[in-house]
Amino acid sequence: EPEVTQTPSHQVTQMGQEVILRCVPISNHLYFYWYRQILGQKVEFLVSFYNNEISEKSEIFDDQFSVERPDGSNFTLKIRSTKLEDSAMYFCASSEERLNTEAFFGQGTRLTVV
Amino acid sequence: GESVGLHLPTLSVQEGDNSIINCAYSNSASDYFIWYKQESGKGPQFIIDIRSNMDKRQGQRVTVLLNKTVKHLSLQIAATQPGDSAVYFCAERGWGNTPLVFGKGTRLSVIA
Repeated sequence: EPEVTQTPSHQVTQMGQEVILRCVPISNHLYFYWYRQILGQKVEFLVSFYNNEISEKSEIFDDQFSVERPDGSNFTLKIRSTKLEDSAMYFCASSEERLNTEAFFGQGTRLTVV
Repeated sequence: GESVGLHLPTLSVQEGDNSIINCAYSNSASDYFIWYKQESGKGPQFIIDIRSNMDKRQGQRVTVLLNKTVKHLSLQIAATQPGDSAVYFCAERGWGNTPLVFGKGTRLSVIA
């Protein structure tokens, strides 16, 4: 069964450093997403990506964040100058269509900023 | 603002009993609803979805009910098993370019 894969599973970084979280969406999907989940809280939308550009983003997704699809398979989230409060699980998801279809989630990357 | 929320944060059921997890939403424009299951250390896993033109949909051991009048969504799990223990999230999406909005989650614990 096709699945969304994310690497690394756990990333520890020092405050102020840059991190890149990587995702390989399901191959025939067209829409890609990043969500985050702070420990014990709900899943929060960060950004959606379609046709090689951001289609929408939340208030959380400020200039500290960027996304890229560097090739035909990878989808990355870059966090510049990480802060302690960026510590969370980051989930990548993909879907075939934008409306009325479910998003398939990866296993997540646990980011710990120390 | 618009929000999706859950009535109960935790639910404990005996193995073999039926479970009902509830969700309230406030966006009357919501058109599509999903239930996700999240096991510890894993990503949300799709369980079942329902569109706003339906009021009930059944899957394998699961049923989702949608009451648009009172903006309420529920997930029923029949013959609950230990493997059903997880956090369950409802999520909704409206028309157009609205992102999937998640509720806060209900932890289901199955007592063997």
